[in-house]
Amino acid sequence: AQKITQTQPGMFVQEKEAVTLDCTYDTSDPSYGLFWYKQPSSGEMIFLIYQGSYDQQNATEGRYSLNFQKARKSANLVISASQLGDSAMYFCAMRGGGSGGGADGLTFGKGTHLIIQP
Amino acid sequence: DTGVSQNPRHKITKRGQNVTFRCDPISEHNRLYWYRQTLGQGPEFLTYFQNEAQLEKSRLLSDRFSAERPKGSFSTLEIQRTEQGDSAMYLCASSYGAGWTQETQYFGPGTRLLVL
Repeated sequence: AQKITQTQPGMFVQEKEAVTLDCTYDTSDPSYGLFWYKQPSSGEMIFLIYQGSYDQQNATEGRYSLNFQKARKSANLVISASQLGDSAMYFCAMRGGGSGGGADGLTFGKGTHLIIQP
Repeated sequence: DTGVSQNPRHKITKRGQNVTFRCDPISEHNRLYWYRQTLGQGPEFLTYFQNEAQLEKSRLLSDRFSAERPKGSFSTLEIQRTEQGDSAMYLCASSYGAGWTQETQYFGPGTRLLVL
């Protein structure tokens, strides 16, 4: 079964600092994809970044980067130069074969509530 | 705006009533997904469609839940005989592809259901 673990229920970070949100995963499938989504208080899930299990390089999208350590089964999200608008829930998710969530549905972690302080 | 849209955004109903939610995906997307999110949790997969065919259902989808996607366009999710435990945010997502791991699912704003 697929499983995503996010161990930080909440984080407080000073504006302009970098922040790392932790994500570990478990799957028996050799081919899988890892995603990070942001969910503001409005409720909509906003796609941030994707990392494939066979990708050789860490994914980057603007201020977002993914620290992918395959042997450790971790896919941490790094936000550089945090902004007040980054305050939101952040979810790590996985897609791949195997049971739990369906082969095509995403399996999500419980999320991390990030609060950026001025 | 050509993103995923969902209606209604909020729904309050009494226990035992039926409710129906609608999702309009991004126009060129062939895949449509439904998720349920309860307070303090991540979304949980319910079911998905490829075009008009419903290809997978989670065991979370009890027989009181039914989803359709006629003509492969919009989708509806109906809950019959609602229970207080059905109170949640119902999220719809769409993607374009054939089941690749890198397919990105784009989510709508969700429908918040409260069952009294």
